[in-house]
Amino acid sequence: GNSVTQMEGPVTLSEEAFLTINCTYTATGYPSLFWYVQYPGEGLQLLLKATKADDKGSNKGFEATYRKETTSFHLEKGSVQVSDSAVYFCALSRKDNFNKFYFGSGTKLNVKP
Amino acid sequence: NAGVMQNPRHLVRRRGQEARLRCSPMKGHSHVYWYRQLPEEGLKFMVYLQKENIIDESGMPKERFSAEFPKEGPSILRIQQVVRGDSAAYFCASSSSGGYNEQFFGPGTRLTVL
Repeated sequence: GNSVTQMEGPVTLSEEAFLTINCTYTATGYPSLFWYVQYPGEGLQLLLKATKADDKGSNKGFEATYRKETTSFHLEKGSVQVSDSAVYFCALSRKDNFNKFYFGSGTKLNVKP
Repeated sequence: NAGVMQNPRHLVRRRGQEARLRCSPMKGHSHVYWYRQLPEEGLKFMVYLQKENIIDESGMPKERFSAEFPKEGPSILRIQQVVRGDSAAYFCASSSSGGYNEQFFGPGTRLTVL
């Protein structure tokens, strides 16, 4: 089946610290991989995506590389800001499965000044 | 271009009542997905619809839940005879086609069952 596992939170960092949020997946076929961010009381916003192995998605200083050999899509940022505080969701979808998303349980990030 | 709209944003129902959640996709989008987010959990797929058709309802509970996406008007997720376990945030997402295309999420409806 299809599933996503991501590290549990909350993750608490000081401003300008390095961020890693681990994400691994199980899927048949060739999934696309995503990171979404959710701010309090809001819906999900796409942060970045990768559609095939070795692709790197990047946006707003965040990066993640699609690693087929380790079935991983870890999220990284070199220097976090207080405004990055949110819940981050890793997800996968497959074209041959109606593109419905399978989400991880989310990782809450708290960045302190 | 307005984003995905959901209403109401908050809905309170007593056990046994009906809840009706609405989702208006982005302009030009004819594909709608519904997801449920239980407290402290990730989103779980419920149903995928195109105009006038249910394509995949594999995530929908077998009883009390139904969804529609009529030719005109918003998509509706209906929950009959709500129970406390239905309390959750319900998100819809829309996309422009069923192939690989980004899904855009609405702000969600937070349902509380008393």
